[in-house]
Amino acid sequence: DQQVKQNSPSLSVQEGRISILNCDYTNSMFDYFLWYKKYPAEGPTFLISISSIKDKNEDGRFTVFLNKSAKHLSLHIVPSQPGDSAVYFCAASVSGGSYIPTFGRGTSLIVHP
Amino acid sequence: DVKVTQSSRYLVKRTGEKVFLECVQDMDHENMFWYRQDPGLGLRLIYFSYDVKMKEKGDIPEGYSVSREKKERFSLILESASTNQTSMYLCASSLAGQGRETQYFGPGTRLLVL
Repeated sequence: DQQVKQNSPSLSVQEGRISILNCDYTNSMFDYFLWYKKYPAEGPTFLISISSIKDKNEDGRFTVFLNKSAKHLSLHIVPSQPGDSAVYFCAASVSGGSYIPTFGRGTSLIVHP
Repeated sequence: DVKVTQSSRYLVKRTGEKVFLECVQDMDHENMFWYRQDPGLGLRLIYFSYDVKMKEKGDIPEGYSVSREKKERFSLILESASTNQTSMYLCASSLAGQGRETQYFGPGTRLLVL
């Protein structure tokens, strides 16, 4: 049973517009959330994270929002650029316990020029 | 910057062969991990290690073993490769203390078993 779900396998966005990638989780023990970005033939790279004590974390064009009551987080990319085209993985962990993150299945983002 | 390297980017092996995938990290991280990535299935944890000579099973350890003789090196072994082990294999490392949730990945090894 998937504990971290990315229900959209793919997303297509026009350059300059906002990209919103969504992630849902079922385990209420998760308290630390991460987003990774992966280009083809490369390993994932860490993008941004958020602790459950916050509801928003921002880093440049990337913002992650956390809604604990809905067990939902989202990654916003504004403005989207063609170089953002990649697979984005959401991950969640229990920082005080088994800290190893559980990954979602990924969303493939395509940003059209 | 953390650097995680994997010995091969692409490998082609025959069914029944013993396969070794090597991973080295240069940041003195205590934790190391092996994942496989398959289309539509995301990243699945095979094995991980907290310390030298220590190993723990992940979610899909069947058909695999690991070795960690030195802190910087973590090897994944396919004892008898099968076609269903054709996949992208990703190694990762992380700190033991604060920040341990953040993993740093190698470039991956794409393995084809014929």
